[in-house]
Amino acid sequence: GNSVTQMEGPVTLSEEAFLTINCTYTATGYPSLFWYVQYPGEGLQLLLKATKADDKGSNKGFEATYRKETTSFHLEKGSVQVSDSAVYFCARGGDSSYKLIFGSGTRLLVRP
Amino acid sequence: DVKVTQSSRYLVKRTGEKVFLECVQDMDHENMFWYRQDPGLGLRLIYFSYDVKMKEKGDIPEGYSVSREKKERFSLILESASTNQTSMYLCASVAGGSDTQYFGPGTRLTVL
Repeated sequence: GNSVTQMEGPVTLSEEAFLTINCTYTATGYPSLFWYVQYPGEGLQLLLKATKADDKGSNKGFEATYRKETTSFHLEKGSVQVSDSAVYFCARGGDSSYKLIFGSGTRLLVRP
Repeated sequence: DVKVTQSSRYLVKRTGEKVFLECVQDMDHENMFWYRQDPGLGLRLIYFSYDVKMKEKGDIPEGYSVSREKKERFSLILESASTNQTSMYLCASVAGGSDTQYFGPGTRLTVL
């Protein structure tokens, strides 16, 4: 089964609203955690990552903190823009260093 | 910047045809991957390759094969396309020892 769980979308927000996309994972160890973003018509791009507990990844105003206690890596942004409309994927490192396990993705739609 | 390219953005094939999807990366990465992306299912790993001529099955290899004759090129082959293989196919690569995958733009395949 999938060991990365994301909130179902779509998430629809107005411009400048606060964004949270929840992500939880299951793992036996402490894998690296990632958020990837897929803009319309494109492949996935790495948005941010964290490699150990309490690390905070950040990029383009987005943040996520590696929470070992709650096995979570929630994505947040204080003020979303229309250009943030995309599909966001949470992922964790797999059994070997180069494999990833992805969540099912959350579509974000930001309205002007 | 790492560049991962895929041979086609859109492809339409008929049931029973043999289909080749090509992926090329320009950063000398050892590891390459083929995923398919379907709504509500996220990314599912079809095959990956950790070196030239080396390959391993992912989570859903049935109906697919791969070829890696050169380090920079990883091909996905549908021996006899079926309608349930209509999907978005994404290629990715990652350097040995790293955990950050770089994705191509995707090929949207429709099998009629």
